[in-house]
Amino acid sequence: GDSVTQMEGPVTLSEEAFLTINCTYTATGYPSLFWYVQYPGEGLQLLLKATKADDKGSNKGFEATYRKETTSFHLEKGSVQVSDSAVYFCALRDDKIIFGKGTRLHILP
Amino acid sequence: KAGVTQTPRYLIKTRGQQVTLSCSPISGHRSVSWYQQTPGQGLQFLFEYFSETQRNKGNFPGRFSGRQFSNSRSEMNVSTLELGDSALYLCASSPRAGDNNEQFFGPGTRLTVL
Repeated sequence: GDSVTQMEGPVTLSEEAFLTINCTYTATGYPSLFWYVQYPGEGLQLLLKATKADDKGSNKGFEATYRKETTSFHLEKGSVQVSDSAVYFCALRDDKIIFGKGTRLHILP
Repeated sequence: KAGVTQTPRYLIKTRGQQVTLSCSPISGHRSVSWYQQTPGQGLQFLFEYFSETQRNKGNFPGRFSGRQFSNSRSEMNVSTLELGDSALYLCASSPRAGDNNEQFFGPGTRLTVL
């Protein structure tokens, strides 16, 4: 069945560092791909999405490109801030939505 | 437009009891999904309802059940609670079922089973 694999955390970076969180997927159909973010004590918020191959989703300085050839949707940000500290979930939706296990990100000032 | 609301936000129960959680989707959204989030297992899909019918179901025992009302509000029930049911229960809504749009999540209900 469909699945999502993302890098395990926690990931700890200094402020202004470059961020990459890897995400790969397996799917039989043509899913949409998402990154969700969960701040402490809150529910999930959509960060960005891409609905077809080669689409790039972007929001708040974060970007991810839907790569069908490598079945990947890696999350990147050029310069992270302390306020980016959160748990990030990669997900796909074909019929059901399937989440990766989440990557906890700590940004040090 | 108001977001997804969940009540209660926090709940403490003891083993063997039952619990009912409520979710009100965004106005106009007809699909409601439920997830269990725990540190060990991450986010696990429980079930999805659309137009008062269960469309999809995850791999949870029959103690977990749900329903959806004609106004799209949904409830989730867990009977004979076990310690392992302690988790954050998240509800998410979307306009339709079975498409590729994102889901909008509520803040969750934190259930603690003692």
